[in-house]
Amino acid sequence: DGGITQSPKYLFRKEGQNVTLSCEQNLNHDAMYWYRQDPGQGLRLIYYSQIVNDFQKGDIAEGYSVSREKKESFPLTVTSAQKNPTAFYLCASSYRDYNQPQHFGDGTRLSIL
Amino acid sequence: AQSVTQLDSQVPVFEEAPVELRCNYSSSVSVYLFWYVQYPNQGLQLLLKYLSGSTLVKGINGFEAEFNKSQTSFHLRKPSVHISDTAEYFCAVRNTNDYKLSFGAGTTVTVRA
Repeated sequence: DGGITQSPKYLFRKEGQNVTLSCEQNLNHDAMYWYRQDPGQGLRLIYYSQIVNDFQKGDIAEGYSVSREKKESFPLTVTSAQKNPTAFYLCASSYRDYNQPQHFGDGTRLSIL
Repeated sequence: AQSVTQLDSQVPVFEEAPVELRCNYSSSVSVYLFWYVQYPNQGLQLLLKYLSGSTLVKGINGFEAEFNKSQTSFHLRKPSVHISDTAEYFCAVRNTNDYKLSFGAGTTVTVRA
């Protein structure tokens, strides 16, 4: 079945450590997105990519980095510069047309040890 | 930039009763509108979307929504809820010329027997 796979489902980070969240899709979508979800705040856009080797900052990009070397993959690195990384992270993808809905993975929950 | 307001953060409802979740948005241009549902520790699943045409949109699981351009609203309704409808619901808006999808803060629906 086509879909979006996020791994791991749970992740723990020590102070000063970088961690990378994986997102892979086999829907043949061009565009991919990373969101952060905190209780009562909805989803906030971290980064998005419309095409391979290109990506743009979203509303809360500070302390995060991404790469888009393959169409299927859009990994997110949470760096030590992100002072409050505990959150639920969601990856999404869509076709490039503006009227196309985004499809979501099942998320990664990141916690600080 | 657009903004999205979900007017109720929590909606308790009895099984087989109707439910309405309210969503208002602000935007200076035409928009596409979406409702998503999120079950605990999962990603978001698309319920329905409004792109153009008929203002009454039917979605999955018996949900429907009505787009009201003059009131800039996109309220979600279901005539008879089930226990399995207990979840968080998100309204999302995208300008017709932009990739960015803006989300409301979410409405938690709790269905009781």
